[in-house]
Amino acid sequence: AQSVSQHNHHVILSEAASLELGCNYSYGGTVNLFWYVQYPGQHLQLLLKYFSGDPLVKGIKGFEAEFIKSKFSFNLRKPSVQWSDTAEYFCAVYSSASKIIFGSGTRLSIRP
Amino acid sequence: NAGVTQTPKFQVLKTGQSMTLQCAQDMNHEYMSWYRQDPGMGLRLIHYSVGAGITDQGEVPNGYNVSRSTTEDFPLRLLSAAPSQTSVYFCASSYSGTSGMGGDTQYFGPGTRLTVL
Repeated sequence: AQSVSQHNHHVILSEAASLELGCNYSYGGTVNLFWYVQYPGQHLQLLLKYFSGDPLVKGIKGFEAEFIKSKFSFNLRKPSVQWSDTAEYFCAVYSSASKIIFGSGTRLSIRP
Repeated sequence: NAGVTQTPKFQVLKTGQSMTLQCAQDMNHEYMSWYRQDPGMGLRLIHYSVGAGITDQGEVPNGYNVSRSTTEDFPLRLLSAAPSQTSVYFCASSYSGTSGMGGDTQYFGPGTRLTVL
């Protein structure tokens, strides 16, 4: 069965530090890839997505992610985090075989 | 647009009770889905619908029923609540497109926090 792994369960950073959150999946076929974010007290919302084309995709609030097909990865990055980036981040992978599968989430805490 | 709305926000049930979680969207989306979110497990798909009158099971459908009589509404019914159904429930909707359900951006409701004693 398809799976999505987010190995970092809780990440704590200081403001201005660089961020990279890992996401790996197991399906070998065509996939659509997503990062969703849940800010405290708010709805889950889309951060960015990849369907095809340039494997480096840019999202809202300065986030970007790179699709590396050979590594089955879609890591999320931000060069300089802010306190307002405190949230829970979910990677999700869609395939026609398994529909949408979410990772377990990474909680990001930013020290002011 | 209100987007995706869910009621109630919080609910406490006793084991064996039944209830319906309501979900509505005003974006004319064809696809709607229900997820549960448990600590350390992310979101898991319970049931989904690709249009009025069409529903299907997701990853964890046992103990839940759904129906889709209109485009706007997609209620989730717990038939006989169990403590294992204590969770946060999210409803989501999305456009239909070239991908199947979940293949494009989903818009989530605020969630319902359910506790079963």
